Amino acid sequence: QSALTQPASVSGSPGQSITISCTGTSSDVGGYDYVSWYQQHPGKAPKLMIYDVSNRPSGVSNRFSGSKSGNTASLTISGLQAEDEADYYCSSYTSSSVWVFGGGTKLTVL
Amino acid sequence: EVQLVESGGGLVKPGGSLRLSCAASGFTFSNAWMNWVRQAPGKGLEWVGRIKSKTDGGTTDYGAPVKGRFTISRDDSKNTLYLQMNSLKTEDTAVYYCTTDGIPPLMDVWGKGTTVTVSS
Repeated sequence: QSALTQPASVSGSPGQSITISCTGTSSDVGGYDYVSWYQQHPGKAPKLMIYDVSNRPSGVSNRFSGSKSGNTASLTISGLQAEDEADYYCSSYTSSSVWVFGGGTKLTVL
Repeated sequence: EVQLVESGGGLVKPGGSLRLSCAASGFTFSNAWMNWVRQAPGKGLEWVGRIKSKTDGGTTDYGAPVKGRFTISRDDSKNTLYLQMNSLKTEDTAVYYCTTDGIPPLMDVWGKGTTVTVSS
């Protein structure tokens, strides 16, 4: 199972919006609505931010939103804040009934 | 509060073995599917494997890099998940996390991780 494709880095200024893409295939992202996004600060465990493509767990800011079109899922963060600076990973369930992750995207808040 | 606490990490020589544990609390562990996920230093997340609940067959699946070397098991009486790692390689050096899973599939709760270093 190949890793999902994410940009290595994105950046934005406070208050702006950014979008991180996550591209897979019809066997994972395109075939299932089980796409999740995780935020990871240095030295910390990943934190679930979005699940099932576009759902937010309780306690996650509504500045975070998710979507999907074909084989590509996207995470959008609006009203960027300094605390959003972190690594972000997408994951998808697959036709092999296993999980696959994206390579991760480093978000820099300028 | 739902909590996962990993333990058992450490320094081991190439070719050696190590067993990790993940103690679960705050939810019905016996009903949960559980995963192991790892992260090599400076690298991304990598799914290691999963064990289903006994009521769903208790079967396991593994990622290609660890298949045949790693074994996931569970003791529902102790609310504990295990990862037995044999024939360890330097590339197995990573922080190992346990996570919950289930039906529908979702890795929502993560432990803080335990560090495994494979080096001579």
